[in-house]
Amino acid sequence: ETVMTQSPGTLYVSPGERATLSCRASQTVRSKLAWYQQRRGQAPRLLIYSSYTRATGTPARFSGDGSETEFTLTISSLQSEDFAVYFCQQYNNWPFTFGGGTKVEIK
Amino acid sequence: QVLLVESGGGVVPPGRSVSLSCAGSGFTFNTYAIAWVRQAPGKGLEWLAVIGYEANEVTHFADSVKGRLTISRDKSKNTVFLQINRLTPDDTATYHCARPLGPGRFHEPFDVWGQGTKLIVSS
Repeated sequence: ETVMTQSPGTLYVSPGERATLSCRASQTVRSKLAWYQQRRGQAPRLLIYSSYTRATGTPARFSGDGSETEFTLTISSLQSEDFAVYFCQQYNNWPFTFGGGTKVEIK
Repeated sequence: QVLLVESGGGVVPPGRSVSLSCAGSGFTFNTYAIAWVRQAPGKGLEWLAVIGYEANEVTHFADSVKGRLTISRDKSKNTVFLQINRLTPDDTATYHCARPLGPGRFHEPFDVWGQGTKLIVSS
């Protein structure tokens, strides 16, 4: 199974600042990597797929990068609605797997 | 409106089985694979299983639950079922079904999620 490791576990950021989240795969997933946002009490929402493609409705301040085993999600200028938990997911290898999540909290 | 709605959760004693349902509407349900993902209280997301579409109803399961799960679909009811056997307290979670981005594809992210059905395994 492909293990997805996210870091840090919690990221403290001030509104308007930049946030960089990391996701590492235990084996190559090529570019089949997605990022989801989950707000409290809600279902996950797809933000980014194919490593860097923004899903419909994803603001331009969200960007993704990486391939094979190393990926990043960058939020260029944090807005109040961005404080949430972010998960990466690989969908290249069976079984598909999620990272443990990064919680973005207000500093 | 594209919707997935789960049902079937509740409180179930350890050792029993449960069948969860995922009903889809607002899209051509039977042309999409459908997956199940669970989230234990305060924890992350765990991909569990997927069933294919139309004539390609292949199934895949997470290693952690393989052997205890059955996934099936009823095309006439636009519904996918997840049966979990030999329940333990570790199965306590909210169970979401999710749809991949495109029809007829497996290796896609999930762009549509249901709100989930809560399962508590307790005596």
